[in-house]
Amino acid sequence: DVVMTQSPLSLPVTLGQPASISCRSSQSLVYSDGNIYLSWFQQRPGQSPRRLIYKVSNRDSGVPDRFSGSGSGTDFTLKISRVEAEDVGVYYCMQGTHWPPWTFGQGTKVEIK
Amino acid sequence: QVQLVQSGAEVKKPGASVKVSCKASGYTFTAYYMHWLRQAPGQGLEWMGWINPNSGGTNSAQKFQGRVTMTRDTSISTAYMELNRLTSDDTAVYYCSRDGALDYWGQGTLVTVSS
Repeated sequence: DVVMTQSPLSLPVTLGQPASISCRSSQSLVYSDGNIYLSWFQQRPGQSPRRLIYKVSNRDSGVPDRFSGSGSGTDFTLKISRVEAEDVGVYYCMQGTHWPPWTFGQGTKVEIK
Repeated sequence: QVQLVQSGAEVKKPGASVKVSCKASGYTFTAYYMHWLRQAPGQGLEWMGWINPNSGGTNSAQKFQGRVTMTRDTSISTAYMELNRLTSDDTAVYYCSRDGALDYWGQGTLVTVSS
């Protein structure tokens, strides 16, 4: 199984400041069709996960443009340009290239300082 | 709009089975696989398996094979996940999610296993 490793696991951030989460996979996530099936999810307290980013850098509809994804091969990053109070929650990266199974990172808890 | 509505919370005894439903609306049910995942209290997300609503074919994670059954009723656009031989380690919120892209999620169903 592909292991997804996130860092940091806890991220205290000041409102209005940027935040960055790293995700590393144990093998390349390039699929045979050339795509990279790496997604990012946000889970606010008490809610279901919500997909923010798919195929590394594509924002889902309704996701604020302060969220951006980047990366290639085995190293990926989710950035929040200016953290807002509603961004508090746990963020997960997930790979859907080498399945089954689909695998997730451990999660990064974003909180306001 | 796409919606996945799951059945309500369950409390089960060890050794019992639980069946969770996921009713889809807002899209063609048979056009997208349905995935099942779970999240133990305070833990991360774990993929369990998928069902192809069109054919009924399924695929599950190795750790659940022999214990999980995924089915569907296309007449009511509903997918089901049944987990057998429950233990306390199966206490979790269970989610359904559409497609391998996991673009839409149900609200979750809390299953508590306790004697």
